[in-house]
Amino acid sequence: GAVVSQHPSWVICKSGTSVKIECRSLDFQATTMFWYRQFPKQSLMLMATSNEGSKATYEQGVEKDKFLINHASLTLSTLTVTSAHPEDSSFYICSARWAGETEAFFGQGTRLTVV
Amino acid sequence: GQNIDQPTEMTATEGAIVQINCTYQTSGFNGLFWYQQHAGEAPTFLSYNVLDGLEEKGRFSSFLSRSKGYSYLLLKELQMKDSASYLCAVKDSNYQLIWGAGTKLIIKP
Repeated sequence: GAVVSQHPSWVICKSGTSVKIECRSLDFQATTMFWYRQFPKQSLMLMATSNEGSKATYEQGVEKDKFLINHASLTLSTLTVTSAHPEDSSFYICSARWAGETEAFFGQGTRLTVV
Repeated sequence: GQNIDQPTEMTATEGAIVQINCTYQTSGFNGLFWYQQHAGEAPTFLSYNVLDGLEEKGRFSSFLSRSKGYSYLLLKELQMKDSASYLCAVKDSNYQLIWGAGTKLIIKP
């Protein structure tokens, strides 16, 4: 149990375009989802926390107008990178947990390359 | 500020034992996690400690001392597939996960 599916696994897009990444909890209701970014050889950096039905809480330094997060249902959260630039190329990972659960379960991650 | 320290890289031999240390200074403490991350993949959960002591799970064990702000992950009977990065993360008083930079473990035959 506790499976989180992230899609796509990898994506290449042109500079200036937008990319949407989906994070789904397949067998539980995810009251909270987290979005991370990880640059090569670095640790995970939390970008934002989203609770179902509420606006996402962004970490300092993360542009909320550039990284749009929607958590419209208990099983789906999306991250849209708008007007992507090469410096946005990174590994984006979501994790999800249900209310009262200590552990958060990770999606497979999405490798974004902006050319 | 909040800080989690772990060695950048360690090397060990197949079949041996290795201990990866993690020290932390955080605003509050609500548990410590260890994750394994292979290159290009998302982290996978290994262990969770919230009380002092040793938690054993197969070849992997994790120890916590809250008074010392210290934890270690012990890997026994090392296998080549254990080559990965090992991430220490602490849940602070706001229940936010604070991540260490990870320890890259290289296993040699």
